[in-house]
Amino acid sequence: GQQLNQSPQSMFIQEGEDVSMNCTSSSIFNTWLWYKQDPGEGPVLLIALYKAGELTSNGRLTAQFGITRKDSFLNISASIPSDVGIYFCAGRNQAGTALIFGKGTTLSVSS
Amino acid sequence: EAGVTQFPSHSVIEKGQTVTLRCDPISGHDNLYWYRRVMGKEIKFLLHFVKESKQDESGMPNNRFLAERTGGTYSTLKVQPAELEDSGVYFCASSPYLGGGAHEQYFGPGTRLTVT
Repeated sequence: GQQLNQSPQSMFIQEGEDVSMNCTSSSIFNTWLWYKQDPGEGPVLLIALYKAGELTSNGRLTAQFGITRKDSFLNISASIPSDVGIYFCAGRNQAGTALIFGKGTTLSVSS
Repeated sequence: EAGVTQFPSHSVIEKGQTVTLRCDPISGHDNLYWYRRVMGKEIKFLLHFVKESKQDESGMPNNRFLAERTGGTYSTLKVQPAELEDSGVYFCASSPYLGGGAHEQYFGPGTRLTVT
């Protein structure tokens, strides 16, 4: 089945630094999504991307849908302690169908 | 508007026992999904309901897992008998009807299942 390779697996950064993480796939997706999971909570949608090449921002977060439709990245600028958590990429081929997730990037921010 | 809720939040059972997880989707959401994350691995799809019908159950691991959504409201996922490898966090997600554009999935807090 389809798989997503998400990297890095974990990151340890200082408050104020920028962060970048990405996902790649061997097959194409029509939708790329980025979720964040806080401890004890479920994943919360951060950004949804629907078109190849699309670049979308949500506050300090910016994500792009790769031109080949096989990859996506998420950038976080000027990180703050509350950015700590697990970030998941997810791909989907058709609206309403199952999401395919990456293994997650665990972000730690020290102040 | 209340979000997706799941019960229980944690469950610890012995191998061979039965456990039933419950999910209450956001009111009015026709689509309900079950996912599972085994520790350190990706979140994996289990199955998808549209109202009370199973739309896609291709992710169900084996016949020890039984999901129901009677009446098209809340859903239950029963594991019987539970095995050690069933341990993980079980997430439920819901989304509204599919017409007129993309509708993303909203996740519940998950049920952490530990089989000993």
